[in-house]
Amino acid sequence: AQSVTQLGSHVSVSEGALVLLRCNYSSSVPPYLFWYVQYPNQGLQLLLKYTTGATLVKGINGFEAEFKKSETSFHLTKPSAHMSDAAEYFCAVSDGPSGSRLTFGEGTQLTVNP
Amino acid sequence: EAGVAQSPRYKIIEKRQSVAFWCNPISGHATLYWYQQILGQGPKLLIQFQNNGVVDDSQLPKDRFSAERLKGVDSTLKIQPAKLEDSAVYLCASSSVAHIYNEQFFGPGTRLTVL
Repeated sequence: AQSVTQLGSHVSVSEGALVLLRCNYSSSVPPYLFWYVQYPNQGLQLLLKYTTGATLVKGINGFEAEFKKSETSFHLTKPSAHMSDAAEYFCAVSDGPSGSRLTFGEGTQLTVNP
Repeated sequence: EAGVAQSPRYKIIEKRQSVAFWCNPISGHATLYWYQQILGQGPKLLIQFQNNGVVDDSQLPKDRFSAERLKGVDSTLKIQPAKLEDSAVYLCASSSVAHIYNEQFFGPGTRLTVL
């Protein structure tokens, strides 16, 4: 069974600082990995995903994530935080290409301080 | 393109009452999902439909939860009777086909409070 662990339920950064949100996964098959963002009172929006190929994945709003198989990690980064990045971020793993069940982590609340 | 619509946005009921949520997916999307998101946790899949057929309902508490997707478009999720632990946000999502290459688009959710 797949599982996801997000280290740090709350992360606080200053505007302009590096954003690093950590995600480690457990999967018995080659994983398919996702990052979603959720703004208050809204649904989830896909930031980026790793399926196959290049391990460094670029997403929307300047975010990127690197798949590291040896570390079973898929950390999300952004070089310079913006106030509008304040939201909750979820890492998720899929159970395979032909299925589409997503198993989500518990989320990381990102606060951006002026 | 209109997004996934859900109603109501908020619902407060007492335990043992019944409640129903409605979802209208993006036009043309064959796959529809219902997730439960308890406060402080990530969403958990309850049920997945492909057109009007159930693909995965392994995590649906079938003694009290039911869902249907008549005509392969709109869907309703019902809880009867509700328990305190059902307090959560219920998210509906849709995708064009059930494949990880196809993004799941989420609605805004229905926030249920059971008193």
